[in-house]
Amino acid sequence: EVQLVESGGGLVQPGGSLRLSCAASGLTVTSIYMSWVRQAPGKGLEWVSVIFSGGSVDYVDSVKGRFTISRHNSMNTLYLQMNSLRTEDTAVYYCASSISSAAFYYAMDVWGQGTTVTVSS
Amino acid sequence: DIQMTQSPSSLSASVGDRVTITCRPSQNINNYLNWYQQKRGEAPKLLIYAASSLQSGVPSRFSGSSSGTDFTLSINSLQPEDFATYYCQQSYSSPSTFGQGTKLEI
Repeated sequence: EVQLVESGGGLVQPGGSLRLSCAASGLTVTSIYMSWVRQAPGKGLEWVSVIFSGGSVDYVDSVKGRFTISRHNSMNTLYLQMNSLRTEDTAVYYCASSISSAAFYYAMDVWGQGTTVTVSS
Repeated sequence: DIQMTQSPSSLSASVGDRVTITCRPSQNINNYLNWYQQKRGEAPKLLIYAASSLQSGVPSRFSGSSSGTDFTLSINSLQPEDFATYYCQQSYSSPSTFGQGTKLEI
């Protein structure tokens, strides 16, 4: 069974840091691409970051220079290091990927359950 | 960034109805258009990718199409489990962007 399990969320003060993890089973984090998508309370979905199989990465402008996506191949785990956190980063963070032909179109057919990040003083 | 204008933002319908949701990108996205369903408290679920390809396991009452610059998600014969929020996403250009969502209510 393919599964993504996020962890690492919590309450942090503005300016603080958190590292989110996404443990994968049934797929390999280096195989295609892995993304982070977030959803602020009561709001829509926002794509945050991606790491491709070759290691190239990209970010939405609002997190560039503050967030870093990475992966640990042997642990088959995706990470999102979040620094200089702002109140507007408060959201549920999902990791997502694809194991089907949808991957060619960078659609996401495998999602984790999400981990909640709250940035507040 | 490519802006995705999704309409309507909310929609009331009944079981058995047919509904359509539209998404218009601000630039050409070459059919790199995906549709997701999200139920309250759950992760999104992929329904359609590449504008019209039905994801495996998704009921055939869901369909996607494109016409000119617009992309459409259609749901035939609504079922009780279809009442949820739907999002379009362009994955053609980085950053990938989502529409603002359509809440489908009874």
